Amino acid sequence: QLQLQESGPGLVKPSETLSLTCAVSGGSISSRDYYWGWIRQAPGKGLEWIGSVDYSGSTYYNPSLKSRVTISVGTSKKQFSLKLSSVTAADTAVYYCARYSDTSEDAFDIWGQGTMVTVSS
Amino acid sequence: QSALTQPRSVSGSPGQSVTISCTGTSSDVGGHYYVSWYQQHPGKAPKLMIYDVSERPSGVPDRFSGSKSGSTASLTISGLQAEDEADYYCCSYAGSYTWVFGGGTKLTVL
Repeated sequence: QLQLQESGPGLVKPSETLSLTCAVSGGSISSRDYYWGWIRQAPGKGLEWIGSVDYSGSTYYNPSLKSRVTISVGTSKKQFSLKLSSVTAADTAVYYCARYSDTSEDAFDIWGQGTMVTVSS
Repeated sequence: QSALTQPRSVSGSPGQSVTISCTGTSSDVGGHYYVSWYQQHPGKAPKLMIYDVSERPSGVPDRFSGSKSGSTASLTISGLQAEDEADYYCCSYAGSYTWVFGGGTKLTVL
């Protein structure tokens, strides 16, 4: 069974770049049938789609974050990464990585456990 | 791309039914059949409950059902149980390989 696991610093200073990685176990990013995404949830708030990447490395971003976001696939196809630049306190959130199934369930069917990132000096 | 609109909270007694609405636009909910619903318990990751408006993944009880009319999708939970108390989020494809979530609804089982 495929599993996702986020990792990265839990504390980032304002104006710096937030960097997270999502490790894929029990499968890989090679299939055309899925998109691999990042979703965040600020404390006490709702879910916000940040962006997604497909097996070929094509990326798709939330228009409101597009200027600051970079998502990429690792060379081993066993991980993908998120970079969010020029962070502020508003970027404090739990960050989830998730798989979007484009053929069977047309939904984010598998999620990581999430990692809390706090932006503070 | 604006968040889909959900009621902040709904409640019901055990055994009753509740419906949570999710209102979008013709660019998202109204224009596509890719609406999904997620259940989130405190401190946990979201769990897929409904996809393609009304389909249930294996393992999800048939007490959970979904529907859509125009730009509003709905999640209905019948035969409420204590463990259904959670936050629920809708999500819709919004075109050009982008997705948008709702603001979330807190379900309280009285």
